[in-house]
Amino acid sequence: DVVMTQSPLSLPVTLGQPASISCRSSQSLVYSDGNTYLNWFQQRPGQSPRRLIYKVSNRDSGVPDRFSGSGSGTDFTLKISRVEAEDVGVYYCMQGTHWPWTFGQGTKVEIK
Amino acid sequence: EVQLVESGGGLVQPGGSLRLSCAASGFTFSSYWMSWVRQAPGKGLEWVANIKPDVSEKYYVDSVKGRFTISRDNAKNSLYLQMNSLRAEDTAVYYCLVAASARGGFDYWGQGTLVTVSS
Repeated sequence: DVVMTQSPLSLPVTLGQPASISCRSSQSLVYSDGNTYLNWFQQRPGQSPRRLIYKVSNRDSGVPDRFSGSGSGTDFTLKISRVEAEDVGVYYCMQGTHWPWTFGQGTKVEIK
Repeated sequence: EVQLVESGGGLVQPGGSLRLSCAASGFTFSSYWMSWVRQAPGKGLEWVANIKPDVSEKYYVDSVKGRFTISRDNAKNSLYLQMNSLRAEDTAVYYCLVAASARGGFDYWGQGTLVTVSS
């Protein structure tokens, strides 16, 4: 199985400051169709997860532009340019390239 | 509006069985691969199973293979997960969603249904 490794696992951030989460996969996530199926999900406290970013860098509808995704191959990053209070929660990277599809362990973002 | 409503969770003893259901609306259910994802209390997410629209293909994570069966009824816009030989480690909130969520398609999650395996 493809192992998704996130760091850090805990991320205290000051409001208005940037935040960055790293995700590394144990294998390349480039699929046979040329796409890289690397997604980022956000789970706010008490809520179901929702996707923020798909195929590495594409923001979902309604996702603020302070969220951005980047990377290639096996190394990926989610950045929040200026953290707001509503960004508190757990963030998961997830690969949909190799079955079984797998998630990272999650990074808990909290406000300092 | 897309809606996914899971039901069927509850308390079951180890070794027991449970059948989860997911009622889908707001999209052409019969055209999409569907999935189950679970989350143990206070833990991360695990993608459990996928099923093709015509049910000709099904995929399972190793931890449930041989015990869980994913199925669907396109006429009823419903997805199911039959869970047998349940173990304590199957305790989780189970979510149904469109599999395309993992590949750039639309992303909708239900509220989930809690399965607790305990004596």
